[in-house]
Amino acid sequence: DQQVKQNSPSLSVQEGRISILNCDYTNSMFDYFLWYKKYPAEGPTFLISISSIKDKNEDGRFTVFLNKSAKHLSLHIVPSQPGDSAVYFCAASMYSGGGADGLTFGKGTHLIIQP
Amino acid sequence: EAQVTQNPRYLITVTGKKLTVTCSQNMNHEYMSWYRQDPGLGLRQIYYSMNVEVTDKGDVPEGYKVSRKEKRNFPLILESPSPNQTSLYFCASSLYAQGIGYTFGSGTRLTVV
Repeated sequence: DQQVKQNSPSLSVQEGRISILNCDYTNSMFDYFLWYKKYPAEGPTFLISISSIKDKNEDGRFTVFLNKSAKHLSLHIVPSQPGDSAVYFCAASMYSGGGADGLTFGKGTHLIIQP
Repeated sequence: EAQVTQNPRYLITVTGKKLTVTCSQNMNHEYMSWYRQDPGLGLRQIYYSMNVEVTDKGDVPEGYKVSRKEKRNFPLILESPSPNQTSLYFCASSLYAQGIGYTFGSGTRLTVV
């Protein structure tokens, strides 16, 4: 049972336009959400995160939106640049009474920025 | 430089030959974890550790062992590798037990023939 879903395996966007990557989750206990970016032959790197008490977090060209009622989050990149071409993973975490369940990842979306 | 170091980066081995993938972090993080990445399946957690001598199974622990004798090291052990363990493996560490904001290693590409 996949708890974090990224339904678009790939997305192609023109340079300069907005890229919108979507993520849905099923577990209402998740209280922290993150986006990671991964280039080939490298480990994932942290991009941006959002706590469940917020509905928006912005960092430069990157904004993450959280809609708790819909159990949906999205990552907006504007304007998109060639260096943004990578695989983006959505991840979710919950605090389980001192436990450390870690992060649950989606399957990833391959973003391709077209010149 | 703060980092998570995995070795080796690439490994080809034969079925049944025990191997160890090492992972070391220099950030004094308490929390460490192993993931495997497979096409169409994303990143799946194998094992994690909250601190020294504290380890627990993730989502796909079968065929793997780990140990956490020191805070900085978290090796992944395959006692009898099989071809279905051919994958890309990532070690990660985090300051927080909740696993927020991982720092990942560069990955180990393992092929079992």
